[in-house]
Amino acid sequence: EAGVVQSPRYKIIEKKQPVAFWCNPISGHNTLYWYRQNLGQGPELLIRYENEEAVDDSQLPKDRFSAERLKGVDSTLKIQPAELGDSAVYLCASSYAVNQPQHFGDGTRLSIL
Amino acid sequence: SQQGEEDPQALSIQEGENATMNCSYKTSINNLQWYRQNSGRGLVHLILIRSNEREKHSGRLRVTLDTSKKSSSLLITASRAADTASYFCATDAVDMRFGAGTRLTVKP
Repeated sequence: EAGVVQSPRYKIIEKKQPVAFWCNPISGHNTLYWYRQNLGQGPELLIRYENEEAVDDSQLPKDRFSAERLKGVDSTLKIQPAELGDSAVYLCASSYAVNQPQHFGDGTRLSIL
Repeated sequence: SQQGEEDPQALSIQEGENATMNCSYKTSINNLQWYRQNSGRGLVHLILIRSNEREKHSGRLRVTLDTSKKSSSLLITASRAADTASYFCATDAVDMRFGAGTRLTVKP
């Protein structure tokens, strides 16, 4: 089966610019996660979707971050405007159901200049 | 949330040696999972152990779970240079959380 696909792989932008990340989960996986991972740290959950519903976005900085999961399949994560502290790797993962093994994409490495 | 905390933060061994990493957590769980992350890549699921299991094997991996001590260990036997990676545990809270991981270096 195809894995979780994320794009772009790398993104470099200037601060205050907008940026968007895209994720295509494994077919049939109802649960989709977005994580942020800083260097030397573990992934930090930003938002979790069950189908198209965001069931946990408590860690998402809502003033500048937004996410959507159209038709319960692909998802996008947007930052507007980006700040220097947003430099990190943004990981997408999917699973058949919550608390089941997660399959991760290789992430988008974001650098803010 | 039920974040796993891995120990040690870093571990360096010679190829062929065994590597043991530990994970502690704070509240009751139904299952605990271990993941591996190679540099520049996403996490890869290694093994899931349920709360009613005490030990589980997968190839060269052996995971133990002690719910009374709220701890788990991951043993990699006969390590290889390709095992060099960061290893994370995560518990099954509705909102799964990961610790900072153990960075394992296996020297050839």
